[in-house]
Amino acid sequence: GAGVSQSPSNKVTEKGKDVELRCDPISGHTALYWYRQSLGQGLEFLIYFQGNSAPDKSGLPSDRFSAERTGGSVSTLTIQRTQQEDSAVYLCASSYGGSVEKLFFGSGTQLSVL
Amino acid sequence: KNEVEQSPQNLTAQEGEFITINCSYSVGISALHWLQQHPGGGIVSLFMLSSGKKKHGRLIATINIQEKHSSLHITASHPRDSAVYICAALSSGNTPLVFGKGTRLSVIA
Repeated sequence: GAGVSQSPSNKVTEKGKDVELRCDPISGHTALYWYRQSLGQGLEFLIYFQGNSAPDKSGLPSDRFSAERTGGSVSTLTIQRTQQEDSAVYLCASSYGGSVEKLFFGSGTQLSVL
Repeated sequence: KNEVEQSPQNLTAQEGEFITINCSYSVGISALHWLQQHPGGGIVSLFMLSSGKKKHGRLIATINIQEKHSSLHITASHPRDSAVYICAALSSGNTPLVFGKGTRLSVIA
């Protein structure tokens, strides 16, 4: 596609439910990042995929959060047993070769946990 | 203390003014990004710097590796420049980006 695509754009869920957020990076981009931005806060790193290397999961806030990237392309971020503090905009970004390359961001998924 | 500090946190300018946003970092870095986040939330990568200076239109970014400091300048500012500007550092250890908290710029006509 022409840009990084994220879906859904908005997700409202009840506390305790699981949610899946999807990111379609730009074709050919080997690096993929997940970030989140809580209301009024800065960007927070969650997880980083680079090619076939093991992902860097150091930013995941709890074991309720997991992510996978299938075939080096599409990525899914899963949040289990959602909590109200998980409410945020979840952003995906991709680049050609890693953090030293220009980043391209998706428009984000606004997650609201009621 | 955040590894990446930006100043000012908020900035209001009159249209046409020259604007400078500063970013200081405490880690050794291999690259630094400047990002722009519009009120609708979309984020655009403006520059990626590892040394020297880059220019794109009315935007100029500089970095001084020895002083661990980068600046983003906007010449002839315009209300459409109103956004949050974020710097993000890639440490020399190649861990993913560390973000500053952003500078909220409002340019008034």
